[in-house]
Amino acid sequence: AQSVTQLDSQVPVFEEAPVELRCNYSSSVSVYLFWYVQYPNQGLQLLLKYLSGSTLVKGINGFEAEFNKSQTSFHLRKPSVHISDTAEYFCAVSDRYYGGSQGNLIFGKGTKLSVKP
Amino acid sequence: DGGITQSPKYLFRKEGQNVTLSCEQNLNHDAMYWYRQDPGQGLRLIYYSQIVNDFQKGDIAEGYSVSREKKESFPLTVTSAQKNPTAFYLCASSIVGLAGGPYNEQFFGPGTRLTVL
Repeated sequence: AQSVTQLDSQVPVFEEAPVELRCNYSSSVSVYLFWYVQYPNQGLQLLLKYLSGSTLVKGINGFEAEFNKSQTSFHLRKPSVHISDTAEYFCAVSDRYYGGSQGNLIFGKGTKLSVKP
Repeated sequence: DGGITQSPKYLFRKEGQNVTLSCEQNLNHDAMYWYRQDPGQGLRLIYYSQIVNDFQKGDIAEGYSVSREKKESFPLTVTSAQKNPTAFYLCASSIVGLAGGPYNEQFFGPGTRLTVL
């Protein structure tokens, strides 16, 4: 069965510092990988996705993530964060082969990023 | 503008009452999903539907019911059998396609916060 582990539940960081939010997954098949962001009391918004091709994926708001198949990781990074990046971030995985429930997304428990001035 | 709407944004329920949360999408997506979000738990799948008049239980379906009479609509009823219904509920949708396609990106509504009094 698939699972997603977000290694840090909370990450405090100062404004303009770099940040990395870690995500590891387990799956017996090839996968698609996603990062979503959630601002307080709102729905989830897609930041970026890995479907195939280049393992370095660039998303919105200056975020990027690197797919590492050997380490089954998909860590999210930003070189310089802003106060407005304060939010909760979710990593998600789904099977590449769609059928029945196999295509459903499995979410990690989230990482709360807190950017301090 | 295409998107997903959920109503109401806030909902209060007395113990023993059933309540229905609305979810409507105009993205022409075949698949729709309901998630429950609790602090520190990530998103857990309640029900999903890949086609009109058909739906499947997710990981935590007990105490919930759904219907899918129209492609655009996927209402969720929280019944009195749900022992701890206070949570944030998110509806999402996605397209459905052939195996191997990038069809698992889900688009989320703004959520409904349900509180049991």
